[in-house]
Amino acid sequence: TQLLEQSPQFLSIQEGENLTVYCNSSSVFSSLQWYRQEPGEGPVLLVTVVTGGEVKKLKRLTFQFGDARKDSSLHITAAQPGDTGLYLCAGEGSNTGKLIFGQGTTLQVKP
Amino acid sequence: EAQVTQNPRYLITVTGKKLTVTCSQNMNHEYMSWYRQDPGLGLRQIYYSMNVEVTDKGDVPEGYKVSRKEKRNFPLILESPSPNQTSLYFCASSRLLGQGYGYTFGSGTRLTVV
Repeated sequence: TQLLEQSPQFLSIQEGENLTVYCNSSSVFSSLQWYRQEPGEGPVLLVTVVTGGEVKKLKRLTFQFGDARKDSSLHITAAQPGDTGLYLCAGEGSNTGKLIFGQGTTLQVKP
Repeated sequence: EAQVTQNPRYLITVTGKKLTVTCSQNMNHEYMSWYRQDPGLGLRQIYYSMNVEVTDKGDVPEGYKVSRKEKRNFPLILESPSPNQTSLYFCASSRLLGQGYGYTFGSGTRLTVV
């Protein structure tokens, strides 16, 4: 069974601080996806990384896919209260029909 | 607007009364899937479909049925709901599988079985 371990589960920081969320597995994925979910709503795709070692930037968010395509990280620079939410990583297996989710990281950014 | 539409958003029902949660997407996506989200357990896949008339079990299929008679629709059927199926359900679709296209999720259906 493929598993994705996401850490930390909870993070409470002050506005302006930097943070990193990690997503690790012993399995290889064809892609690693990051989502953000607001309370009572469905997850919304932030980014997909598909190549080992790939780095993608989305404004203050930087996503990296590990060289072996087993792990990924999300780094937020100068966090703002608007970044508050649940962040989910998800690994996609090649032609398996499965998108495996990590447990999620609840981020709270205080003004 | 490209979207996945689920109905209803909220549903309270009694044990054993059959129900269907509908899911429709307007993006001509091949792949559709159902998830349930529970506190402490995260998002778990119930069933998925790679194309019309092709469905397969996810990680937690017991007590659920699905069908894919048309490309755009993927209803989730609970033949005899039980209280342990109380959960937040999401339908999702993707253009192609294993190609890193990302998934579009519906807004969710909060189901309570009493």
